[in-house]
Amino acid sequence: AQSVTQPDIHITVSEGASLELRCNYSYGATPYLFWYVQSPGQGLQLLLKYFSGDTLVQGIKGFEAEFKRSQSSFNLRKPSVHWSDAAEYFCAVIAENMNYGGSQGNLIFGKGTKLSVKP
Amino acid sequence: DAGVIQSPRHEVTEMGQEVTLRCKPISGHNSLFWYRQTMMRGLELLIYFNNNVPIDDSGMPEDRFSAKMPNASFSTLKIQPSEPRDSAVYFCASSYGQGDEQYFGPGTRLTVT
Repeated sequence: AQSVTQPDIHITVSEGASLELRCNYSYGATPYLFWYVQSPGQGLQLLLKYFSGDTLVQGIKGFEAEFKRSQSSFNLRKPSVHWSDAAEYFCAVIAENMNYGGSQGNLIFGKGTKLSVKP
Repeated sequence: DAGVIQSPRHEVTEMGQEVTLRCKPISGHNSLFWYRQTMMRGLELLIYFNNNVPIDDSGMPEDRFSAKMPNASFSTLKIQPSEPRDSAVYFCASSYGQGDEQYFGPGTRLTVT
């Protein structure tokens, strides 16, 4: 079955330190991958997406992610974390249509990683 | 663009009452999605529409849940009768087409007592 795994439930980093949030997926074909961020009490905001092409994608707020097919991973990185980055981060993949192939449309989400930032 | 609009933002109701959640997608978007977020199950799809037609409702928990999209600019999710286990945050999202990035509304926090 298609799935997204975020192994880290909670991560704490110091402000100014680098960040890497892990994401692994299970998918039959070429996945469409996303990272979203959710601040407390807010909706989800798209950080970046991967559909095809360059495996290193840039997003908003200084985030980037690298698609590695061999490792079925799409890890999110930021070189220097700011206190305002404290939030919950979700990795997601577009569901695959198991009967007809291609994308189905809905997102399958990981359980999320909560990021805390120490001053 | 105002983004995806959801109402109400918060809803507190008693068990057995009918609850209606509303969503206005981004103008021009053809796909609309309803998700539910709980601590136990995370974010999960309830139903989605493409060009106002329901495509996949396999995530709808049971017959107490129903969703409609009468036109391209409006959708409702109804729970009747509501139960305490329905307490969650319900998100509506829209995208230009199936497989495109989805834009989320602020969510409706539902509490059923």
